[in-house]
Amino acid sequence: EIVLTQSPATLSLSPGERATLSCRASQSVSSYLAWYQQKPGQAPRLLIYDASNRATGIPARFSGSGSGTDFTLTISSLEPEDFAVYYCQQGRNWGTFGHGTKVEIK
Amino acid sequence: EVQLAESGGGLVKPGGSLRLSCAASGFTFSTYSMNWVRQAPGKGLEWVSIISGSSAYIYYADSVKGRFTISRDNAKNSLYLQMNSLRAEDTAVYYCARSMVGPTSDYWGQGTLVTVSS
Repeated sequence: EIVLTQSPATLSLSPGERATLSCRASQSVSSYLAWYQQKPGQAPRLLIYDASNRATGIPARFSGSGSGTDFTLTISSLEPEDFAVYYCQQGRNWGTFGHGTKVEIK
Repeated sequence: EVQLAESGGGLVKPGGSLRLSCAASGFTFSTYSMNWVRQAPGKGLEWVSIISGSSAYIYYADSVKGRFTISRDNAKNSLYLQMNSLRAEDTAVYYCARSMVGPTSDYWGQGTLVTVSS
């Protein structure tokens, strides 16, 4: 089973700051890596697929990078609505998720 | 507009069974694979199962293999999850989600809560 490790567990930032979230896979997943955003009481929302492609309607401030085992989600300038939990998911060997990174208001 | 609506959740005793349904609309259901994903209260996401558009390919997470069965009825635009031998650790909100590619899901329902407790 491929294990995804997300870091940090919690990121405390202010609106306007840059957020950098990490997802590391226990073995290569090539570029089969997606990122989701989830707010309390809501279903997850797809942000990034295939490591670096923004999903439909996702603002340009969200970007993804990486391949193999190391991936990054970057939010260039945090908006108030971006404070949420972010999950990565690999698609190389069925869809395990990471445990999530909570981006909270500092 | 793509819409997914789960139903069938509720309270069930350990060892019991439950069948979840997901009604899909706004897209050509038969041409998309579909996923079930669950989330235990206060916990992260766990992928559960996937079924291809024609039902030719079906895969399960190890945690549910042999107990859960995914199926679909393309004539009714519906997805199902038959859950047997339920355990306390199966307690979660269950989401149906449309596959963009494999387990990557681009549209999600709002979820249905399954509680396994005596």
